[in-house]
Amino acid sequence: DGGITQSPKYLFRKEGQNVTLSCEQNLNHDAMYWYRQDPGQGLRLIYYSQIVNDFQKGDIAEGYSVSREKKESFPLTVTSAQKNPTAFYLCASSGQIDRGRLNTEAFFGQGTRLTVV
Amino acid sequence: AQTVTQSQPEMSVQEAETVTLSCTYDTSESNYYLFWYKQPPSRQMILVIRQEAYKQQNATENRFSVNFQKAAKSFSLKISDSQLGDTAMYFCAFMRPYGNKLVFGAGTILRVKS
Repeated sequence: DGGITQSPKYLFRKEGQNVTLSCEQNLNHDAMYWYRQDPGQGLRLIYYSQIVNDFQKGDIAEGYSVSREKKESFPLTVTSAQKNPTAFYLCASSGQIDRGRLNTEAFFGQGTRLTVV
Repeated sequence: AQTVTQSQPEMSVQEAETVTLSCTYDTSESNYYLFWYKQPPSRQMILVIRQEAYKQQNATENRFSVNFQKAAKSFSLKISDSQLGDTAMYFCAFMRPYGNKLVFGAGTILRVKS
C-alpha cells in the first residue's frame, strides 16, 4: 500500500548528540515536509522540499538539517545546536502545484517521538 | 508571510449537535488552498476537507462543511450530527499556490460529549 513511513516511532537522544529521523514515501509525491509538535500545540514547519536536491527553511529551522537526495526520502537531522529537541515530529508529503493547481493534498506519517535523556 | 489563526483553543459539543470551528488567515495571494485536518488521540493526521480559493462553492464532505469567506479571509468548519469519534484536535492549514509551503494554525481541541 502507498503511504509515508517514519522511523523510529520512539527515539531517545543524549544531550550533545545528533540524531536522524527517517521519512520515506512511496506515493510519488514531489513535495515533502517536516513539522514539530509540542504538547497541546500546533504544527510548526521546520523544513520543506518541493523537489529533489532542493529544500527551504520553514519557521523554526535553527538546529535542524535535511537532505533530499531521492524523491522518496527526506531525512531530518536534529543537531546538538537544537536546545530543546524533545517533541513529536511529523513528516508529510504532497503533490506538486502545477500552474497554480494542487493535484494531491498532504498526507502524513505516524510521527516520531524524540526525547532527550 | 502567511499566518493561520484559530481563536478557539478548546470547544465541546453534545453528541448529535452541530459545532463550528473558526479559522482566519492572512495572505496577499488571490489563489491558494485551505485545509482542515483532524488529529485524534492516536496523533495520526487525517485530512477532513479541502477548499480551493478560486472556487466560490463551499466544500462539503458528508457531515463536514466549510464556510469560506474569501474577502474576510475566513474558513470555518461546521460539523453536523457530531459523533464521539469526532473528538480530536482540528487544524486549519494554508498552502500558497507556488512553492508548496504548508502552514498550520495552533489547533482547536474538540470534545464530543455523550
